[in-house]
Parts: sequence; C-alpha cells; structure tokens
Amino acid sequence: GENVEQHPSTLSVQEGDSAVIKCTYSDSASNYFPWYKQELGKGPQLIIDIRSNVGEKKDQRIAVTLNKTAKHFSLHITETQPEDSAVYFCAPTYTSYGKLTFGQGTILTVHP
Amino acid sequence: DSGVTQTPKHLITATGQRVTLRCSPRSGDLSVYWYQQSLDQGLQFLIHYYNGEERAKGNILERFSAQQFPDLHSELNLSSLELGDSALYFCASSVSGGSIITEAFFGQGTRLTVV
Repeated sequence: GENVEQHPSTLSVQEGDSAVIKCTYSDSASNYFPWYKQELGKGPQLIIDIRSNVGEKKDQRIAVTLNKTAKHFSLHITETQPEDSAVYFCAPTYTSYGKLTFGQGTILTVHP
Repeated sequence: DSGVTQTPKHLITATGQRVTLRCSPRSGDLSVYWYQQSLDQGLQFLIHYYNGEERAKGNILERFSAQQFPDLHSELNLSSLELGDSALYFCASSVSGGSIITEAFFGQGTRLTVV
C-alpha cells in the first residue's frame, strides 16, 4: 500500500514568516496531490491540489510544488497569519484507487 | 459549512454495544467515504461507496459495516464496541466516484467514546 510521510510533524512560526511542509510518498502511480487543512473541532478541508502533469500551483498565499521523480510534494504558506494555525494533511492518491490516503499530519502554530 | 451532515455529533456508549453513525452527503454528490481519526493513527480510510455500490475498502474491521441507501445517505454500523474504537468518525462526499477524484467535502464528524 501507499506509504506517506509528512515532515515536520510540528511547525511553529512567527506571524508573517513562511511555512513549508513536505510530503513523501511511495506509490509511483499517484497522480493527484491534495493538501487538506483541519481546524480544531472541524473536518478536513481542501486548500489546494495539483495533478501529476503540473509542477507547481499557487493560490494567493498558498502554493504546492510537485517533484514526481523524487516522489514528494510540498505545501508553501507565505505571510502566515494566526488563522493558518491548524493541522495540515497531504493525501497523495492514484485516482482510480477510489480513496484518499492521508499523511500523519503537521501541526502548524503561527504566533502573533 | 461543507454541506455534509453527520449525526450524532457525540456518542457515548459502553463496550460490547452497537451504534449507527449517519451521513448525508452534499446535494448531488454520489460518493461517500468514511474515515476514522484517532490520535495515534491519524485519518484512516474505512470504506467508499459510490451510488449505492461499495467501491473501495480500507482498514475496516469485520465488526464494522456500512451501506449507502438509494437516497445516497450512508450509515456506518459499529458493533461489539471496544475501548479502542473511541475516535472521531468522519464522512466525506464528492461528486466523482472512480477514476477522477475531485475535492472531498468532510462533515464535522461524530465523536465516539466507548466506556
């Protein structure tokens, strides 16, 4: 099965700094690479995703970069704000498997 | 609000009992996914239904079962409950069901506590 690792497991930054979370996967068939954000007491919510034919995607302060050869993709958050504090999950997936396999999560804390 | 409704929000029950968790997907979504989230195991995929048919199965125990009804709502049945079954159970829905995964919308979850 898919082996997914996220690093770091916890990340603490000052407001305004950048944050980077890396996700490494083992299944070379993976072709869909989403990042989910889970706030306290809520379900995970998709914040950005990328497909295997694209190397980078940006949406305002959030970006995802993909290196399919090395089998990793990263979430980049610039100009962090306290409301970015949450748990972030990657879920590299081969779309035909019919499921999302999540990493263990990264707890991001943004200090005002 | 994701549009996915899960009931109940909280459930406390004794070991050996059986419970049913309910999920109503977003309007128009044909796929329902069930996930278990515990502190030490993260988000574990349990099962995926698409338009009433089981599409994928994950680490779902034999004591657990699920189904999706013609109106597309889904139920997750947990029986012979053990202390270790205490967790958050999430339901998610999406438009797609097979080869093209689109965004999965998660409900608020059901917190199950087995005492």
